[in-house]
Amino acid sequence: SQTIHQWPATLVQPVGSPLSLECTVEGTSNPNLYWYRQAAGRGLQLLFYSVGIGQISSEVPQNLSASRPQDRQFILSSKKLLLSDSGFYLCAWGPRPGQLVGAFFGQGTRLTVV
Amino acid sequence: AQTVTQSQPEMSVQEAETVTLSCTYDTSESNYYLFWYKQPPSRQMILVIRQEAYKQQNATENRFSVNFQKAAKSFSLKISDSQLGDTAMYFCAFIYSGNTPLVFGKGTRLSVIA
Repeated sequence: SQTIHQWPATLVQPVGSPLSLECTVEGTSNPNLYWYRQAAGRGLQLLFYSVGIGQISSEVPQNLSASRPQDRQFILSSKKLLLSDSGFYLCAWGPRPGQLVGAFFGQGTRLTVV
Repeated sequence: AQTVTQSQPEMSVQEAETVTLSCTYDTSESNYYLFWYKQPPSRQMILVIRQEAYKQQNATENRFSVNFQKAAKSFSLKISDSQLGDTAMYFCAFIYSGNTPLVFGKGTRLSVIA
C-alpha cells in the first residue's frame, strides 16, 4: 500500500532562518506531488506541484521554493523565513496520470516563524 | 480557471440528525472529478467521497452521500446519522483530467452537538 511521510510535525524558526520540509512517498512510482499551505481556520492554498523529477510548477510567487530531487521526494525550502510564512504545510501525492482518485495527504507540518 | 465555492463557513447539527453541506464549482471542462475531504482537529486530511462527472449515479460511502447536479454545477455532501466524530472542517475539491492539481473550496466547519 502507498504511504506518505512528512516531517517534521512541528517547527519553530526565527525570522531570517532557512527552511527545509521534506516529504516522501512509498509504494508507488512517478506520482504527482503537491505542497499546500493552510492558514489557521482557512482553506488550502496550493504552493507547488510536480509531475516529475525536476518539474516544478509554482502557483503563488513568494518566499518559498520546491525541489524534487528523486521520484518520490518533494522538498519545500526557503532561504530566509518571514513571519508571514507561518502556517500549516501539507504535502500530498496523487497517482498518474492526473488525480483521478484524489490526492492523499501527509500529516502536515505546523511552522511558526518567530 | 476552475473555482470551487463553499458558501457555508460554519454549520452545526444535532447528533443523529442529517446535515447537508453545499458546494458549487465553475468549469468549462466536461470531464472532471469532485471530492469531499474531512479535516478533523488533528488536521489530517481524509478523503471522504469522490464523484466522477460522467457518472450520473450519486456516490455513497456509508453515512456519506453526495447530490451531484452537473447542469447546476453543484456537489453537496449529505451526512446521515451525524456522530460526534464527524466534527471537522469539510472541503470540497475539483480536478479535471490531466496533470493538474486539486482546487479546493474554503471549507465548512461542521460541529456535531450532543
